[in-house]
Amino acid sequence: AQSVTQLDSHVSVSEGTPVLLRCNYSSSYSPSLFWYVQHPNKGLQLLLKYTSAATLVKGINGFEAEFKKSETSFHLTKPSAHMSDAAEYFCVVSWIKAAGNKLTFGGGTRVLVKP
Amino acid sequence: EAGVAQSPRYKIIEKRQSVAFWCNPISGHATLYWYQQILGQGPKLLIQFQNNGVVDDSQLPKDRFSAERLKGVDSTLKIQPAKLEDSAVYLCASNPRGQGATGELFFGEGSRLTVL
Repeated sequence: AQSVTQLDSHVSVSEGTPVLLRCNYSSSYSPSLFWYVQHPNKGLQLLLKYTSAATLVKGINGFEAEFKKSETSFHLTKPSAHMSDAAEYFCVVSWIKAAGNKLTFGGGTRVLVKP
Repeated sequence: EAGVAQSPRYKIIEKRQSVAFWCNPISGHATLYWYQQILGQGPKLLIQFQNNGVVDDSQLPKDRFSAERLKGVDSTLKIQPAKLEDSAVYLCASNPRGQGATGELFFGEGSRLTVL
């Protein structure tokens, strides 16, 4: 079975300071891993994805994540938070079956950015 | 490239009434998903289509929810009768199938349902 745990439901940072969003996964298969961002009243937007290539993945808006198989983690980081980063972030594990992709979402981490 | 289109964006109904949501995926995307996102939670898969066939509806409350994708393109999700706990955002997503598919889903902006 596949599962995703986002270790923090809320994260509060000051503008210009680093952001760390933690994600641990469990998968019986070789997973693909994603981070999505959701701004208020908007759909989910892909930030970055890991699909068994480089373990350090760079995404949009200065975000990056590192896949650590030994720790079953895929933490998301950004060196310097911006006010526009205030949103909800979802870690997602995906695997491909004959019938199509199967995805499991984490519970989400809401990020608050203080000026 | 046009994104995933959903309508209506917002709907308010009373309990026991019915409601329908429509989704038009990205052209050529074989797989279509409906997710339910309750406030403060991550999206939960309701149903997954591959072309016009259902491949996973294990979490769809079939006594009140139904969905179809008759021609393998657009899809409709219906709730009848609605309950208070159905208040949520209903997200539609699509995904191309094939060797190039990485599992990335493309989401619409969602349909927000409020049941009074």
